[in-house]
Formats: sequence, structure tokens, C-alpha cells
Amino acid sequence: EDKVVQSPLSLVVHEGDTVTLNCSYEVTNFRSLLWYKQEKKAPTFLFMLTSSGIEKKSGRLSSILDKKELFSILNITATQTGDSAVYLCAVPTDSWGKLQFGAGTQVVVTP
Amino acid sequence: DGGITQSPKYLFRKEGQNVTLSCEQNLNHDAMYWYRQDPGQGLRLIYYSQIVNDFQKGDIAEGYSVSREKKESFPLTVTSAQKNPTAFYLCASSISGTKKETQYFGPGTRLLVL
Repeated sequence: EDKVVQSPLSLVVHEGDTVTLNCSYEVTNFRSLLWYKQEKKAPTFLFMLTSSGIEKKSGRLSSILDKKELFSILNITATQTGDSAVYLCAVPTDSWGKLQFGAGTQVVVTP
Repeated sequence: DGGITQSPKYLFRKEGQNVTLSCEQNLNHDAMYWYRQDPGQGLRLIYYSQIVNDFQKGDIAEGYSVSREKKESFPLTVTSAQKNPTAFYLCASSISGTKKETQYFGPGTRLLVL
């Protein structure tokens, strides 16, 4: 059975802190791993990772994939209150784009 | 403006009633998806469609039905057979082909049972 597990489930940090979110997966035929940010409504796409060891970066957010150990991490540096959201990790489980999502990590950044 | 729209934003269902959630996209995407999200949980796939007039069941299709008569539209009906329909429903779409796994989401519909 395909599985995506995220940790921690929630965390509270102060502005300026660095946050590291984890996503581990077990899928039969791995193609890619996706990260989304969800602020109350529609999840917005952050990164798609396909190659091991190559970091993807966008501003203060970065992500890396380890295909040998079957996990990915999402880092947020110098956190701001606008980073407060649920961060979702997802892995396609077939060639038609069917995604298996983790439960998400709720991040709260306090001023 | 290109994007995915869902309506209504909030929907109330009475016992025994069927309700239909609308999803429209003008991104020219071939694939469309419906997900359900419960508090503290990730998204679970209800139905998906890769082309017009074709769709497949996801992980939790029981009590739901869909149609795909037009490329732009993928409405979801929550039937009276769905005993616990209260949830946040998200529609998504993606380009067919090598980028099909990047799914883009609509704003969602929150369904509540009266």
C-alpha cells in the first residue's frame, strides 16, 4: 500500500526561526514528490522533486529529496507570520497523476 | 484570468438530498480531480478524469458521482448515499503528459449537513 507520512503534525515557532518539515514515502513506482502550501483554502504548488540530492530553492524556501532513504525535507529560513500554513507533501501513485497526500504539517509562526 | 473556479463557496445539505459542486477551469488542462479534506487530514482522492467522457474512481468514491461532458467542467454530486459528507472539497486540474503531476487547485467548497 502506498503511504506518505509527514512529521511533525504541527509546530509553533517565532518569527526569524528556521523550520524543517519531513516527508517520508513508500510507493511502488516512484516518479516525483510534490510540496504544497495551504492557507485556509486552495493548496498552492511549491516544488516538484524528481532527482535525488538536488536542492530546489524559492526565496526562503528550499527542498531536497533523498531517493535512497525515501524522504524529502522542506526548509523555511527566517520565518515570517505569512509562512503560517499547512504544508502538504504528495507523491503520484500511478502514471495518470493520482496523488497520495500526507496528513500535512501545520506551521504557526508567532510575532 | 486563467484559473480554476469552484462554486458555491459554502453549501448546506439536508438529509437525503443530493447536491452538486461545480468545478470549471480555463487552463486548457486535460486532467481534472476531486479531493475531500477532513480536519487534520490530508487530501483524499474521490474521482479523477483524464479526458472528456471518461473518469475513474479514486480512493473514496462511494456516495459520490461525477460527469465530464466538457473539457472545462467536472461537477461532483454528493448523493444521499454519502453518510458523512461534511468536509472541504477541492477540485484540481493538470496538464496531460510529462507535467501532469503538477496539479493546480481551486478555492474549494465547504459542505455542511443540516
